[in-house]
Amino acid sequence: RKEVEQDPGPFNVPEGATVAFNCTYSNSASQSFFWYRQDCRKEPKLLMSVYSSGNEDGRFTAQLNRASQYISLLIRDSKLSDSATYLCVVNSGSARQLTFGSGTQLTVLP
Amino acid sequence: GAVVSQHPSWVICKSGTSVKIECRSLDFQATTMFWYRQFPKQSLMLMATSNEGSKATYEQGVEKDKFLINHASLTLSTLTVTSAHPEDSSFYICSARASGRDSYEQYFGPGTRLTVT
Repeated sequence: RKEVEQDPGPFNVPEGATVAFNCTYSNSASQSFFWYRQDCRKEPKLLMSVYSSGNEDGRFTAQLNRASQYISLLIRDSKLSDSATYLCVVNSGSARQLTFGSGTQLTVLP
Repeated sequence: GAVVSQHPSWVICKSGTSVKIECRSLDFQATTMFWYRQFPKQSLMLMATSNEGSKATYEQGVEKDKFLINHASLTLSTLTVTSAHPEDSSFYICSARASGRDSYEQYFGPGTRLTVT
């Protein structure tokens, strides 16, 4: 079983749609959780950290369910510029390494 | 702030040659840097953790004699792919964690695309 699992997609949605991505992680000792965004042939960029209480940043809402070891990302009012691959990332190990999911590809269509 | 650069951004080399990739933290000191590899349509896979002044810690399945890592200063880590083969063609990305910060946040370099012919 992979440490971090995501639905690879692709998700093709029209502009203005709401889309949700899910992610599960296997290491119950994981402490920190993130969503990164990666554009084609570019490095990943931090989108937002994920907290147990849930957090929102504009059109983006992240949720963490520790009991189910499940993380979600909700994007409201999708924009064309949201098209990218979204990576679920979990810390692992005492060296504070990050483990990346395989990513979910999103394409927002005009 | 928190800018990480990589050089070169892309390189094409012949099979059997060695390639050195540099990762620099431009405006902060990084005790720890990480090297990742990403194949097309796959996620980033951690290759090794590089600590300034000590030997790198390699992930399982990564050959330390093939992927030489040197982290001689708080702002520079290098990855040398020795005797490169076509299967080493990949996107190599480094990241750095700021010294003295008690967080998991890593700052990523723009990546180096290696093609071995």
